[in-house]
Amino acid sequence: SQTIHQWPATLVQPVGSPLSLECTVEGTSNPNLYWYRQAAGRGLQLLFYSVGIGQISSEVPQNLSASRPQDRQFILSSKKLLLSDSGFYLCAWSAGPLYEQYFGPGTRLTVT
Amino acid sequence: KQEVTQIPAALSVPEGENLVLNCSFTDSAIYNLQWFRQDPGKGLTSLLLIQSSQREQTSGRLNASLDKSSGRSTLYIAASQPGDSATYLCAVSGNTGFQKLVFGTGTRLLVSP
Repeated sequence: SQTIHQWPATLVQPVGSPLSLECTVEGTSNPNLYWYRQAAGRGLQLLFYSVGIGQISSEVPQNLSASRPQDRQFILSSKKLLLSDSGFYLCAWSAGPLYEQYFGPGTRLTVT
Repeated sequence: KQEVTQIPAALSVPEGENLVLNCSFTDSAIYNLQWFRQDPGKGLTSLLLIQSSQREQTSGRLNASLDKSSGRSTLYIAASQPGDSATYLCAVSGNTGFQKLVFGTGTRLLVSP
């Protein structure tokens, strides 16, 4: 069966510090991978998606970047965090033909 | 641009009631529609997926319907239980590839014993 992991579970970082969130998927090959953010009181916003190694598409221009160094690994990064980067970050995967999306447990990021 | 709306924003019912959650979307050119459940501080759990060619899907006490032409979906929960308390999210994916999901803002459900 497929499993998706995210770490860390929670993170408190000062403004201006770097960020690295990691997501890995087990039990499937060549999945589509997604990063979403859920800000307090707001809906889920798609940040990045990837259909293969090294292939990243950005949905919203912002202070974040994503990378996919391996087939089942997706990393969300920032060089300098802003207060507005606080939120709940969710990684998800999907595969054909239905492309049903499955989500990880999330990372709670607080920028102070 | 696809927009997804969920009504009501919050719902409180006594245990045992049957209930309906509503979802509407503006662009009928969808690939599929998913219903999710989110418990506080947790990730999303996929409940049901309806392909664009389907009218409904059932899983246990849950039944989801899709009327693509009118841009509507409903999630029916039978015989509600306190454990059903959570936020329910509706999301649609487009036909343009990569199946990116556009989410509604959710319905927060509270089922009282």
